[in-house]
Amino acid sequence: EAGVAQSPRYKIIEKRQSVAFWCNPISGHATLYWYQQILGQGPKLLIQFQNNGVVDDSQLPKDRFSAERLKGVDSTLKIQPAKLEDSAVYLCASSLAEQQETQYFGPGTRLLVL
Amino acid sequence: SQELEQSPQSLIVQEGKNLTINCTSSKTLYGLYWYKQKYGEGLIFLMMLQKGGEEKSHEKITAKLDEKKQQSSLHITASQPSHAGIYLCGADGRTPLVFGKGTRLSVIA
Repeated sequence: EAGVAQSPRYKIIEKRQSVAFWCNPISGHATLYWYQQILGQGPKLLIQFQNNGVVDDSQLPKDRFSAERLKGVDSTLKIQPAKLEDSAVYLCASSLAEQQETQYFGPGTRLLVL
Repeated sequence: SQELEQSPQSLIVQEGKNLTINCTSSKTLYGLYWYKQKYGEGLIFLMMLQKGGEEKSHEKITAKLDEKKQQSSLHITASQPSHAGIYLCGADGRTPLVFGKGTRLSVIA
């Protein structure tokens, strides 16, 4: 079974530029998550989708971050404009359902904002 | 909001030695996940515990959830270089999954 796919794996941009990340979850997984992991910290949930609907985006900085999952399968996370403090690993995860279901993570996208 | 504290923050052990990592929650846990992360990579699922007193093992890694469901321990027996990485506990507290800051394990020959 294929795992969660993410691209790109690495990205370097200058502050105020925009960037987009892509995630393709495990086939059949209804729930998709985007996390931000700053160096030395645990992952922090940014947004959670159930199919193509948003379940939780309370920790998403909506003035600069946006995410969509239009067809309920793959998803994109965008940052516009980027700030230095956005440098982090962006992890995508998916699970079969919502509550009490194991989340499986992709390899992440490492973003460096200069 | 729920918080998880992991100890120790980092650990260096000699190959073949046993070790324990702890995870303490500020609130009752409905479920506790253990993940392993190689530097800069995604998280690999290890185990999930739900019931008080529950214990699970996979190869040389054993995790236990205490009776009160507020603390979990991860024990590695006869550590190997392949065990090196960052171990993260994650709490399912009926809110978004919350993670500890991780324990960085190094195994030296």
